[in-house]
Order: sequence, then structure tokens, then C-alpha cells
Amino acid sequence: SAVISQKPSRDICQRGTSLTIQCQVDSQVTMMFWYRQQPGQSLTLIATANQGSEATYESGFVIDKFPISRPNLTFSTLTVSNMSPEDSSIYLCSAGLGTAANNEQFFGPGTRLTVL
Amino acid sequence: AQSVTQLDSQVPVFEEAPVELRCNYSSSVSVYLFWYVQYPNQGLQLLLKYLSGSTLVKGINGFEAEFNKSQTSFHLRKPSVHISDTAEYFCAVSDRGLTGGGNKLTFGTGTQLKVEL
Repeated sequence: SAVISQKPSRDICQRGTSLTIQCQVDSQVTMMFWYRQQPGQSLTLIATANQGSEATYESGFVIDKFPISRPNLTFSTLTVSNMSPEDSSIYLCSAGLGTAANNEQFFGPGTRLTVL
Repeated sequence: AQSVTQLDSQVPVFEEAPVELRCNYSSSVSVYLFWYVQYPNQGLQLLLKYLSGSTLVKGINGFEAEFNKSQTSFHLRKPSVHISDTAEYFCAVSDRGLTGGGNKLTFGTGTQLKVEL
């Protein structure tokens, strides 16, 4: 298994500013992902954070808005850029071994973002 | 592409009563199936998963789910619920192979289980 921590746990930000969310895993993992959970809704995958290369973004999400870094196998950051109230969501990091035999993902506690 | 349908957005149930949370999926390839639980103001915790083998899967906290390939369903059940089971439950799927995208999860919209005295 893997234990995941996220910082900050919550933040209130002004429109037009940017926030960087950190995700730390207690062991080396193959796969790391970033999800968004808008109020009262399900989780939507933003991107797969690839170690040593550019992240792979899902339809509707772009690098300029959500730049992602993954410098090593235990750490990743997601930046929410030029924020608007529509970006108010919970952002969750997850990690997985990424093998066919073990497809489980472990989730961090989330970062609750409110944009005013 | 895959999709997950959780038809019940809310399920109220009395304590010690049985409960079933429904999940149906659609996929053009074979899938893995998961149920996650989210307690208020917390992240997601894995309840159980179906990878292969027996279609009846047992998870934590007394929950179980049955994979039905012909009906493309993976309903979650518990014979007797407790107040502490009040939470949001998410069904999710991923494809079986590393098709270039890793083991991405597609989630359903969630079912809020509310256990009452």
C-alpha cells in the first residue's frame, strides 16, 4: 500500500492568482494521477503525472491551466493557474503501482480550494 | 471509452437493515472494478476490488460486491449497516491492460448512503 499526503489541506484564494498543491507518497510508485471533485459531483481525472516527462492530460484540461510536475517517483505538484470561482473544487492526488496484477489506486486526503 | 452509472444518488436506510448500492458499467474492453468510500471531509478509501476469479468479492467493513458480466453490474451490498457507514460511495472501473494510459479510473457519480437510527 501507499500513504499519500497533500499540502495544503485547504486554501481560499483570490481570482486571478495561482496555487500549487503538493503530493507526497511514502514509497516509490509507478503511477500518479490528479483528480478534481467539484461540489456535489464525482471525481474527474485531470491528468497522469509522468516521471521525467510531460503530464498526459485528459480531454478538457490543458497544461497552461493545470501545469504538473513529477520530479521523482514519490512527489508531484499540480498548479491551478489564473484561478476563477469555477475552479473551486477538491483536488485529489492518487498513486498506483500500475501493474496489471495490482490495479489499486491510493488517494490523498484532498485539497479543498475556494476561489473568491 | 468506459462509463459508470450509479442510478441512486441517495439511499436512506435504517441501522441494522441491509443495503444494496447499484453500479452498472459500460466498456468495450475487459475491466477491473472498484468500490471506494469517502467519509465527510476525507479522501477516498478502497472498499473492495474485482480483478479476476470469484465473482463475489468481500471487502472491508463487512461490504461485499458481485460482478455480473452479463448484466455489466457490480452492486455493493451489506447485510446490516451501521451509523458509521454513512458516507459517499463511488463505483469505478479501469481497463485491464496498460493501454498507454496506465490504470486510469473512471468514476460513477456516487451514492450518498445515509444510515438513520
